[in-house]
Amino acid sequence: QSALTQPASVSGSPGQSITISCTGTSSDVGGYNYVSWYQQHPGKVPKLMIYEVTNRPSGVSDRFSGSKSGNTASLTISGLQAEDEADYYCSSYTTFSTVLFGGGTKLTVL
Amino acid sequence: QVQLVESGGGVVQPGRSLRLSCAASGFPFSNYPMHWVRQAPGKGLEWVAVISYDGILKYYADSVKGRFNISRDNSRNMVYLQMISLRPEDTAVYYCARDGSGTNWFDPWGQGTLVTVSS
Repeated sequence: QSALTQPASVSGSPGQSITISCTGTSSDVGGYNYVSWYQQHPGKVPKLMIYEVTNRPSGVSDRFSGSKSGNTASLTISGLQAEDEADYYCSSYTTFSTVLFGGGTKLTVL
Repeated sequence: QVQLVESGGGVVQPGRSLRLSCAASGFPFSNYPMHWVRQAPGKGLEWVAVISYDGILKYYADSVKGRFNISRDNSRNMVYLQMISLRPEDTAVYYCARDGSGTNWFDPWGQGTLVTVSS
């Protein structure tokens, strides 16, 4: 099984909105509403930002939102802030009862 | 509070074995599936394995199938990862993570334990 496909990098200015895509297949992203997103700052433990495509855990800013269309899921960050600069990973349950991660996207706040 | 603490990492020669442990606290451990996720130095996250709440169901990434075994002891709130026939490409920080609700999202994560496979 191949990793889910994410852009290697995205960037935006403070206050802007950015979207990170996560593309899989009908056997993973497209087949289940079990996509989640994680934020990881350098040297830190990953942090859950979105689960089950659109749900935000308590304590996560409402500037973070998730969506899905077909085999592609997306994470949108609105009102970009300097502290949002980090690596972001998507993950999905698969038809094989396993989990796939995306390759990760480095977000730079200009 | 919910906490996961991994241990057992270290430097090991190729072909040798190692067992990682993860101690859970602050939640009803026996109600949750548990996962291991790893991250090679400077690389992305890679899911390794999952074990059901009762320890009956286990699934593995293709890269470790047949070499790694995940297990748990609900009486001790522990989850383990037994790794055999280790390869240099297994070098990574290994994280233990709780499954949020049986739908394969991870929260929280432990702080990780580093495994280095090198001669």
